[in-house]
Amino acid sequence: AQSVSQHNHHVILSEAASLELGCNYSYGGTVNLFWYVQYPGQHLQLLLKYFSGDPLVKGIKGFEAEFIKSKFSFNLRKPSVQWSDTAEYFCAVKGYGNNRLAFGKGNQVVVIP
Amino acid sequence: EPEVTQTPSHQVTQMGQEVILRCVPISNHLYFYWYRQILGQKVEFLVSFYNNEISEKSEIFDDQFSVERPDGSNFTLKIRSTKLEDSAMYFCASSGVLSTQYFGPGTRLLVL
Repeated sequence: AQSVSQHNHHVILSEAASLELGCNYSYGGTVNLFWYVQYPGQHLQLLLKYFSGDPLVKGIKGFEAEFIKSKFSFNLRKPSVQWSDTAEYFCAVKGYGNNRLAFGKGNQVVVIP
Repeated sequence: EPEVTQTPSHQVTQMGQEVILRCVPISNHLYFYWYRQILGQKVEFLVSFYNNEISEKSEIFDDQFSVERPDGSNFTLKIRSTKLEDSAMYFCASSGVLSTQYFGPGTRLLVL
């Protein structure tokens, strides 16, 4: 079964700082990878996804993530955060042909104006 | 933009009671899912549903749980006899074929 690890559960940074959130997964086969975001009081929303092709994917609101197959990683980055990026970020993986998403524990990101 | 909706947003029940959580998936989606998140823990997969039957379920999804699509729009999760440890946020999701899962806002269930 697939599993996901996210480290540094709480991240506090100032506006304009760069953000990188790590995501490592374990699964023996082909995977689909996702980052979801949950803003305060809102539901899980898709930030970006990787299915195949270019391992550097760009999502909404200036976020990007890079799939590194050899490292089983799918780290999320944003060069310059804004206060509105305060949210919880979840990495998720789905084994190809499976239905279930396996989630990491999430990163609570707080951006200080 | 179409969204997954869930009702109720909050539910409080007594241990041993039955609860039904309701979801309206995105209308042209074919796959439906339930997940749950116990406070402080990961979001966990419970079950997926396709073509009017369960296509995959986790070890959490035991005999006290059931799912149903009673009509063309609703998708429900029933917990037959609730336990304290069933207290969690329950998320419904839907997707097209081999595509992204879209989540509803969740139902917060508290079992007393």
